[in-house]
Amino acid sequence: KNEVEQSPQNLTAQEGEFITINCSYSVGISALHWLQQHPGGGIVSLFMLSSGKKKHGRLIATINIQEKHSSLHITASHPRDSAVYICAAKRGTDKLIFGTGTRLQVFP
Amino acid sequence: GAGVSQTPSNKVTEKGKYVELRCDPISGHTALYWYRQSLGQGPEFLIYFQGTGAADDSGLPNDRFFAVRPEGSVSTLKIQRTERGDSAVYLCASSFTGRHTGELFFGEGSRLTVL
Repeated sequence: KNEVEQSPQNLTAQEGEFITINCSYSVGISALHWLQQHPGGGIVSLFMLSSGKKKHGRLIATINIQEKHSSLHITASHPRDSAVYICAAKRGTDKLIFGTGTRLQVFP
Repeated sequence: GAGVSQTPSNKVTEKGKYVELRCDPISGHTALYWYRQSLGQGPEFLIYFQGTGAADDSGLPNDRFFAVRPEGSVSTLKIQRTERGDSAVYLCASSFTGRHTGELFFGEGSRLTVL
């Protein structure tokens, strides 16, 4: 069992839909990152959070430390949101443990 | 430069050869990370530098892999006697480690193909 698990693995949506990607982890962490990876490999950091909720534009990330669970929400999804979304749990000396990613495709 | 720079972007080599991959982090970032990503998988931790020293090298798969960061800036990942299983995208990331920061900035990766 992976220490960081994401669901779903693949997700398709119509433009405008509300999207939720889930991340569960089984280890103690100091923070959790949500990352976006586009085809070709470039990774962009979306959020780093250790409690509560953060919002940036149409993206919202929440974390529940007691339940060891985080969610990434995308409101009013757009085809340009199509990418792989990865959560990564930060432990101890800044070591990150990555989930396997959720591949999102948003169709017009 | 403005971002994390990795070279080469693509490297094709033959089994048994030696390979060096370079990472130039964002200026001033003290923390530098190497990850490896196989097709369809999430990145896998290899090694983490804080300044010049390797703070955690527990992810290096075996002694064919070695990484250095002699001046606390540029880092080189070295792979000896490459094997086909080493084929992957090698990602580098840096961050300014502080109490209120920790955001990671990734390079575009170096795609290694071992024939």
